[in-house]
Amino acid sequence: DAGITQSPRHKVTETGTPVTLRCHQTENHRYMYWYRQDPGHGLRLIHYSYGVKDTDKGEVSDGYSVSRSKTEDFLLTLESATSSQTSVYFCAISEGGDRGGNYNEQFFGPGTRLTVL
Amino acid sequence: GNSVTQMEGPVTLSEEAFLTINCTYTATGYPSLFWYVQYPGEGLQLLLKATKADDKGSNKGFEATYRKETTSFHLEKGSVQVSDSAVYFCALSGSGDSSASKIIFGSGTRLSIRP
Repeated sequence: DAGITQSPRHKVTETGTPVTLRCHQTENHRYMYWYRQDPGHGLRLIHYSYGVKDTDKGEVSDGYSVSRSKTEDFLLTLESATSSQTSVYFCAISEGGDRGGNYNEQFFGPGTRLTVL
Repeated sequence: GNSVTQMEGPVTLSEEAFLTINCTYTATGYPSLFWYVQYPGEGLQLLLKATKADDKGSNKGFEATYRKETTSFHLEKGSVQVSDSAVYFCALSGSGDSSASKIIFGSGTRLSIRP
């Protein structure tokens, strides 16, 4: 199994508080991703990173920020949590596509269940 | 833009039944196609992949063939087991530098197998 951990695994917080989720990898993969999973929506990309200090937005980035100061860590921050951000958050890593081919296998962490009251 | 459409669930089958989960896609160029599986309480795992037209991906008795003419990548298994109960996601990774780094997921199909 790819070495990906997420912390915390569960968190309950109140509306308006800041929350930071951490993703840690031991695979030295270049790409890291944050997704949220909600019923009926599958997985939706929040932000991703293609290197240290290099990040870009996904399809549902509003209300979220990210930082990557080291290859192995990718942080997702909710500056002021809202009830609509109650979800399960998954981190994923990848070596990236376009190495002569264009496939992009991603390896997923175990997820963080966040509840915003 | 790129998109994936898969059949809605839940799908309930008896053990040893034949399984098909339909998946179609919209993409420019030559995407790579994937099926991921999510067991209860876990993250997603890659089940199989195909990177070019007419490729067949296979793993654990599951198969899917990349059909460019019908833009489809249907998942099949000849005889399902209770342990196959999970949520299955069809996904694609586009061609070109930036889109090749991202995966678009379908909404998932929940499969339940009765003993």
